[in-house]
Amino acid sequence: KNEVEQSPQNLTAQEGEFITINCSYSVGISALHWLQQHPGGGIVSLFMLSSGKKKHGRLIATINIQEKHSSLHITASHPRDSAVYICAVGPRGGGADGLTFGKGTHLIIQP
Amino acid sequence: GAGVSQSPRYKVAKRGQDVALRCDPISGHVSLFWYQQALGQGPEFLTYFQNEAQLDKSGLPSDRFFAERPEGSVSTLKIQRTQQEDSAVYLCASSLRWNTEAFFGQGTRLTVV
Repeated sequence: KNEVEQSPQNLTAQEGEFITINCSYSVGISALHWLQQHPGGGIVSLFMLSSGKKKHGRLIATINIQEKHSSLHITASHPRDSAVYICAVGPRGGGADGLTFGKGTHLIIQP
Repeated sequence: GAGVSQSPRYKVAKRGQDVALRCDPISGHVSLFWYQQALGQGPEFLTYFQNEAQLDKSGLPSDRFFAERPEGSVSTLKIQRTQQEDSAVYLCASSLRWNTEAFFGQGTRLTVV
């Protein structure tokens, strides 16, 4: 089973700061997902990537397949970015398993 | 519909009661997943459907848990004789096919008292 580790577990920053959240996994994957979860439980998919880098607005996600590591960056952070960010990986091969999730990074952006 | 819809949003059950949680995936999505998320933890895989076929149920914690998707669209997760340790948020996700972007519902928060 893939082990997914995220760091930091908790992060408090000031509005405008550049944020980095890290994710590492133990076994080769087919794809990695970054998800955002707000209080109340709803989860929104931010990125799905299997190589390189993706950018959407102020969010950037990168992945290094060789090092089994991914980062999520938030530029010019804003209080509305406050949420739990979860890294999840999908298995390689033909397996039908669902995603394996990290425990999440609880981000608070203070005004 | 526009997104994955789950109902009810909140459910309080007395210990020993049976509950049924519903998931309406995005229309046309072949893959459907159920996850259980305990407080302060990341979600854990429960089961996976491809259309109406339940291809993996290895994550179901006990035989009190049962899931179905009889017509390949709406899915129901049933928990029999609920126990306090079943208290969690139950998340449903669907994707167009396996290993494509997953879309999540809001979840059902189950509290067993």
